[in-house]
Amino acid sequence: GNSVTQMEGPVTLSEEAFLTINCTYTATGYPSLFWYVQYPGEGLQLLLKATKADDKGSNKGFEATYRKETTSFHLEKGSVQVSDSAVYFCALNQAGTALIFGKGTTLSVSS
Amino acid sequence: DGGITQSPKYLFRKEGQNVTLSCEQNLNHDAMYWYRQDPGQGLRLIYYSQIVNDFQKGDIAEGYSVSREKKESFPLTVTSAQKNPTAFYLCASRMAGRGNTEAFFGQGTRLTVV
Repeated sequence: GNSVTQMEGPVTLSEEAFLTINCTYTATGYPSLFWYVQYPGEGLQLLLKATKADDKGSNKGFEATYRKETTSFHLEKGSVQVSDSAVYFCALNQAGTALIFGKGTTLSVSS
Repeated sequence: DGGITQSPKYLFRKEGQNVTLSCEQNLNHDAMYWYRQDPGQGLRLIYYSQIVNDFQKGDIAEGYSVSREKKESFPLTVTSAQKNPTAFYLCASRMAGRGNTEAFFGQGTRLTVV
């Protein structure tokens, strides 16, 4: 079945450092891929998405590229801020099914 | 404002009691979902519904029940058969039939068994 694997956390960075959170997936066909962010005590918010191979999703300085050849959708940001501290979830979806999430990666950014 | 609302935000239940978590959306979405979140486990799918009066079990449906009598509402009942119900519960909705649309989430309900 479909699945998502993302890097274990927590990830601890200093402000302005470069961020990468790895995400790989297993799926038949061509799923859509998503990154969601969760701030403490809240629900999830969509950060970015990509719906076909080689698409790049971007939002708030975050980027991720849909790589079908490596079945990956790694999240990157060039310069993190303290306000980026949150839990990040990689997810995939195909028509007619529910979103499948990775286990989440906690990011902590210090000033 | 369109959105998805979960209530209550915090809920306490005595062992042996059933409890119902509310989820309402005014986004005109056909599909609705319930997830359970535990530390280090990510989000696990409990039940989902693609259309009114129809729903499917997810990966961890045992001890839970749902109904979908109205498009806007998808309540989740945590029954006494659920062995470890203390968790954070998230409801979501999205347009059905297309895999590329985003899901919108409620703010969650934190259930604690006392």
